[in-house]
Amino acid sequence: KAGVTQTPRYLIKTRGQQVTLSCSPISGHRSVSWYQQTPGQGLQFLFEYFSETQRNKGNFPGRFSGRQFSNSRSEMNVSTLELGDSALYLCASSLVGAVNEKLFFGSGTQLSVL
Amino acid sequence: DQQVKQNSPSLSVQEGRISILNCDYTNSMFDYFLWYKKYPAEGPTFLISISSIKDKNEDGRFTVFLNKSAKHLSLHIVPSQPGDSAVYFCAANLPGGYQKVTFGTGTKLQVIP
Repeated sequence: KAGVTQTPRYLIKTRGQQVTLSCSPISGHRSVSWYQQTPGQGLQFLFEYFSETQRNKGNFPGRFSGRQFSNSRSEMNVSTLELGDSALYLCASSLVGAVNEKLFFGSGTQLSVL
Repeated sequence: DQQVKQNSPSLSVQEGRISILNCDYTNSMFDYFLWYKKYPAEGPTFLISISSIKDKNEDGRFTVFLNKSAKHLSLHIVPSQPGDSAVYFCAANLPGGYQKVTFGTGTKLQVIP
C-alpha cells in the first residue's frame, strides 16, 4: 500500500507570491490534516479535512487555506508569502480522523521564501 | 502558548542503556497521547500511544508512562539502539471531535554505539 505522497518535495518562492502544495493520502484514508514544522516550534496544526469539509482549523492567518477533493486528495495554498512562512509542510492522513487514530505522514514539502 | 512541552532539545545515550524522553503538558483536558519518531528528510512515524485512563503502555522496547496529576509523560526505550537516533515528538489530543493534534517541539536522541 502506497504511503502519503506530497508534491513537490522542495519549493523556492519570493515574498508576495503564492504557493500550492499537494497531498495524496493512503488509499482508503478519508481524513487529511496539514502541519507546519519550523525549528524550535515543533509541528503546528493548520487544518483537517474529511469528505471535502474542513472540520478543524489551527491558529494561522487567512492566507493559509486548503481544500479536499472527492478522491480525498488535498491541497493547501499560501497566498502573499512572507519570510516567516519558510518551513516544512507536512500532510498526514488517517481513516476517519478520530482522536485516537495514529497519523500517517508524508515526507513533507520544504518551502523556502526569499 | 506551548501546551505540550519537551524541555530537553537533545539527549545522548550509550547503546544498550535506557533512553528516557520527557514531556509535560498544561491542558488537563488532553486525554490521548502519542509519540512520533522522525528521521531527517522523512515524515514523522507513529511509535506508541496511551489513553488517559491508563498509566502505562508497552510495545516491545518502548514504554510510555503517564502521570496525570503531574501532567507528565515519558517514553522509555530499553535497550537503546543506534537506529533509535531520531527526533521524538510528544503529541496530545483532546477528547471528542476530530484530529487536531498538539505536538511538542521535539527531542533529538542520539544513541552512541
